[in-house]
Amino acid sequence: SQQGEEDPQALSIQEGENATMNCSYKTSINNLQWYRQNSGRGLVHLILIRSNEREKHSGRLRVTLDTSKKSSSLLITASRAADTASYFCATKNGANSKLTFGKGITLSVRP
Amino acid sequence: GAVVSQHPSWVICKSGTSVKIECRSLDFQATTMFWYRQFPKQSLMLMATSNEGSKATYEQGVEKDKFLINHASLTLSTLTVTSAHPEDSSFYICSAETSLVYNEQFFGPGTRLTVL
Repeated sequence: SQQGEEDPQALSIQEGENATMNCSYKTSINNLQWYRQNSGRGLVHLILIRSNEREKHSGRLRVTLDTSKKSSSLLITASRAADTASYFCATKNGANSKLTFGKGITLSVRP
Repeated sequence: GAVVSQHPSWVICKSGTSVKIECRSLDFQATTMFWYRQFPKQSLMLMATSNEGSKATYEQGVEKDKFLINHASLTLSTLTVTSAHPEDSSFYICSAETSLVYNEQFFGPGTRLTVL
């Protein structure tokens, strides 16, 4: 079953704007990861945040994690047309190595 | 580093035939490999987890006799879709995990299977 639930499911913004995507999950986690998928391609790992971390940065990406609310957000600053893709959050539970993916968010960045 | 390849990238076959998809970790040894299926505009659904030299662990609802997984070495896993039917048409993605990189799975580019 799907653990992560992202919202919004589709997001369209203008180049240069910030894009914020949210993910909620239901069970306790070991870590939460965000991936990007360009149409018809495999997944690219963006960032991992552990359950004891609250915020993490990587370039134009900022991820937050609120374990009390069981939610995470991915912020892409100064978006570019090349950021157009689907974004998935995925959770990992404890010693179990399985990644459980959310339904994904389709981000469109208009040039 | 940490590149995973899949072959073929796309395949079209007739109903009733079997199709084999290869997943290779090119520059690292994968302790575990995973096979996912993704239908259009949907998320990835884990089909099975495989470790080298042992039987794959299938997720609930995935037929092990239909989706045969062989993990013959630390760099190669294969998924064979036996007696494929149109409903098996999907995007199949593998990923590989290494103990050297904490908790990160490296994904292959996917294989588009179309069953006529």
